[in-house]
Amino acid sequence: DAGVTQSPTHLIKTRGQHVTLRCSPISGHKSVSWYQQVLGQGPQFIFQYYEKEERGRGNFPDRFSARQFPNYSSELNVNALLLGDSALYLCASSRDRASGANVLTFGAGSRLTVL
Amino acid sequence: AQSVTQLGSHVSVSEGALVLLRCNYSSSVPPYLFWYVQYPNQGLQLLLKYTSAATLVKGINGFEAEFKKSETSFHLTKPSAHMSDAAEYFCAVSKVPGGSYIPTFGRGTSLIVHP
Repeated sequence: DAGVTQSPTHLIKTRGQHVTLRCSPISGHKSVSWYQQVLGQGPQFIFQYYEKEERGRGNFPDRFSARQFPNYSSELNVNALLLGDSALYLCASSRDRASGANVLTFGAGSRLTVL
Repeated sequence: AQSVTQLGSHVSVSEGALVLLRCNYSSSVPPYLFWYVQYPNQGLQLLLKYTSAATLVKGINGFEAEFKKSETSFHLTKPSAHMSDAAEYFCAVSKVPGGSYIPTFGRGTSLIVHP
């Protein structure tokens, strides 16, 4: 079975630009979460989507937005990029959102560099 | 609010030596606790999880962790380190009263294994 797939794997943008990151969850998983991992730190929660609805939002500015499609894939959008947005963006899927014991399965991430 | 603290950003051991990675949690309710491992240029992979069953949890690759409520700790151990264990390790807590069970990750501990 395919794992969580993310695209693109690497990208370079300049300040002020917009970026879209994509994620396909494991087949049968209905929940997708996005995390930002700055070098040397742990993943920070950005969004959680379940059944195409936003179910959780972390402490990130409105420049960050996301959506989930009927096939449960997801996009993370970041507008007006800042240097501080440079990070590894991780997508994780899980079967549902109702249990804290749910295991997140992570993709390999999209490495964003903002110049 | 829930949180985890990982003591030591780097831990260095010799191959064959005991591995001990420390994690202390803060949670107002009995937590769910996780250890994830991240190899270079990869996403996070679950090592083990505690969900209020046995306090000693065995995971993959010979790792185990013990939940100690009195010490609010969930330290990760492995009796004998292998070169392939070199990676970044993250402790996470997931349980909020009436919340959405979104995991909160620690800053991570980099395990270095010397030959």
